[in-house]
Amino acid sequence: KQEVTQIPAALSVPEGENLVLNCSFTDSAIYNLQWFRQDPGKGLTSLLLIQSSQREQTSGRLNASLDKSSGRSTLYIAASQPGDSATYLCAVRESNDYKLSFGAGTTVTVRA
Amino acid sequence: GAVVSQHPSWVICKSGTSVKIECRSLDFQATTMFWYRQFPKQSLMLMATSNEGSKATYEQGVEKDKFLINHASLTLSTLTVTSAHPEDSSFYICSSWDRGSDEQFFGPGTRLTVL
Repeated sequence: KQEVTQIPAALSVPEGENLVLNCSFTDSAIYNLQWFRQDPGKGLTSLLLIQSSQREQTSGRLNASLDKSSGRSTLYIAASQPGDSATYLCAVRESNDYKLSFGAGTTVTVRA
Repeated sequence: GAVVSQHPSWVICKSGTSVKIECRSLDFQATTMFWYRQFPKQSLMLMATSNEGSKATYEQGVEKDKFLINHASLTLSTLTVTSAHPEDSSFYICSSWDRGSDEQFFGPGTRLTVL
């Protein structure tokens, strides 16, 4: 069974600092990996989706890398802003399936 | 991305009553939808996979007689929590799988509070 772990569970940084969020998974036979943002009491917003054949994806200040062989992905957020405060979830989709396995998330607070 | 709506966004009910939550795929047809629940400060746990025109597939440990799922059309799936109890209080989120983009798109969630 796929286990997805996110470290740290919470992170607080001053505005302008770069953020590094980690996600690890136990079974490397994945189809893709996705990073989501969740604001309190809200649903999920997809940030980046990395296919298993890709090494990274970028969107604006966000960059996500994927090392499938070691079972790791990292989300980088450059020049953080208070509006980046949210919980960030990573989810793994396994090969030959469309179910997603989620990590518990990293709650980020960016201090103004 | 595609839009998925949920209704209601929040509901409070008395213990023993049933509550229905709707999940709609607004701009694509979804043969497959998913229902998740999320406890405070925890991750999303998949409850069941809802397939249009057939029975839902439940994850281990999820009571199918308590959480009734109906996927009668390509744009609507419903989750009914029967005989709700306080321990059913949670945040329920649905998602729809878009075959075209091969992605899941998530609804905004429904907060259920059982008194």
